[in-house]
Amino acid sequence: AQSVAQPEDQVNVAEGNPLTVKCTYSVSGNPYLFWYVQYPNRGLQFLLKYITGDNLVKGSYGFEAEFNKSQTSFHLKKPSALVSDSALYFCAVRGGGAAGNKLTFGGGTRVLVKP
Amino acid sequence: DVKVTQSSRYLVKRTGEKVFLECVQDMDHENMFWYRQDPGLGLRLIYFSYDVKMKEKGDIPEGYSVSREKKERFSLILESASTNQTSMYLCASRDSGGAGEQYFGPGTRLTVT
Repeated sequence: AQSVAQPEDQVNVAEGNPLTVKCTYSVSGNPYLFWYVQYPNRGLQFLLKYITGDNLVKGSYGFEAEFNKSQTSFHLKKPSALVSDSALYFCAVRGGGAAGNKLTFGGGTRVLVKP
Repeated sequence: DVKVTQSSRYLVKRTGEKVFLECVQDMDHENMFWYRQDPGLGLRLIYFSYDVKMKEKGDIPEGYSVSREKKERFSLILESASTNQTSMYLCASRDSGGAGEQYFGPGTRLTVT
């Protein structure tokens, strides 16, 4: 069975400082990894994904994520956080084969960026 | 842009009522999904469909059923609503090729009293 862990319920960071949201995963075969963001009372918005290739993936709004196969991690990063980045962030994994259609989400990490 | 719409943003129902949640996507996607979102638990898959009239159980299908009569529409049905089904329900769609991302609707916050 595939699974995702986001070890931090909340991350607090000052505006202008680097932001990191952690994610580790477990899946059979090669993973497809995703990050989504959810603003209050909204659906999820896609940020970025890793399929294959370069381990550093760049996405929307200045976010990037680094795939680390040996550590089975896919941490989300932003070099300089904005107050508007305050939201709920979800990491998700999808495996290949018979389970290829199912996306498994982590529990979410709330990010609070203080001015 | 892909658009996924859900019939209601907020819904209040009584215990025992039959509840229908509707989802429509406009990008001709083969795959559609229903999730529920609860604090600390992330999103959990209830059912998904990979084609018209096809459905598969997700991780938490108990107490729910689905219907997909047309490609663009995927309905979630609560046969007899219970208070433990109070939650945010999110619909998503994805095309069948490669490793595409899912596109989500705005969600329906359902309260069962």
